[in-house]
Amino acid sequence: NAGVTQTPKFQVLKTGQSMTLQCAQDMNHNSMYWYRQDPGMGLRLIYYSASEGTTDKGEVPNGYNVSRLNKREFSLRLESAAPSQTSVYFCASSEASGAGEQYFGPGTRLTVT
Amino acid sequence: LAKTTQPISMDSYEGQEVNITCSHNNIATNDYITWYQQFPSQGPRFIIQGYKTKVTNEVASLFIPADRKSSTLSLPRVSLSDTAVYYCLVGDEGFQKLVFGTGTRLLVSP
Repeated sequence: NAGVTQTPKFQVLKTGQSMTLQCAQDMNHNSMYWYRQDPGMGLRLIYYSASEGTTDKGEVPNGYNVSRLNKREFSLRLESAAPSQTSVYFCASSEASGAGEQYFGPGTRLTVT
Repeated sequence: LAKTTQPISMDSYEGQEVNITCSHNNIATNDYITWYQQFPSQGPRFIIQGYKTKVTNEVASLFIPADRKSSTLSLPRVSLSDTAVYYCLVGDEGFQKLVFGTGTRLLVSP
């Protein structure tokens, strides 16, 4: 039981490049989330998926898109990376609602130059 | 949107009890209070959740007064491995209300 896995662990992009961050969970959870964490700051919600087939914007969605591929997988795409998107990205999942216990992945450290 | 306020940092020594208080004056009727722990270079980990009064599990206790405008996370007999950032969250079924804030950085010394 791996929990929540994320790939890649590290990534360096040049401004304007695109990439997709992958996330998968094996706990049969309904809800999944993407957060970003800037140095010395708390986590901010980018997008979430309450259930398979639905996605919604969180606090900081600009510059990102998401896909809930199936119940297990939730990807985050940066279409044209900007230096302001340099951050650590965490994926999380929970059995039900947003207030319930969330399980986090190990994070992806992204640097945009 | 219920906003939380926590101390930026706290220091303690091994074996002491640590109490971290979170203020959430605008908490709504349906909101729960949840605490997470985060170690460097790791994702947050759920510690405890409550709605009112007191909740206790194997690692912590959560005290919530009747007016629910604040809550206190209590860590009994901390060890060096409890050095981490602790986040207080207030939210309900609505995903938009999941705000982590900047957390409290706890440093436990020998």
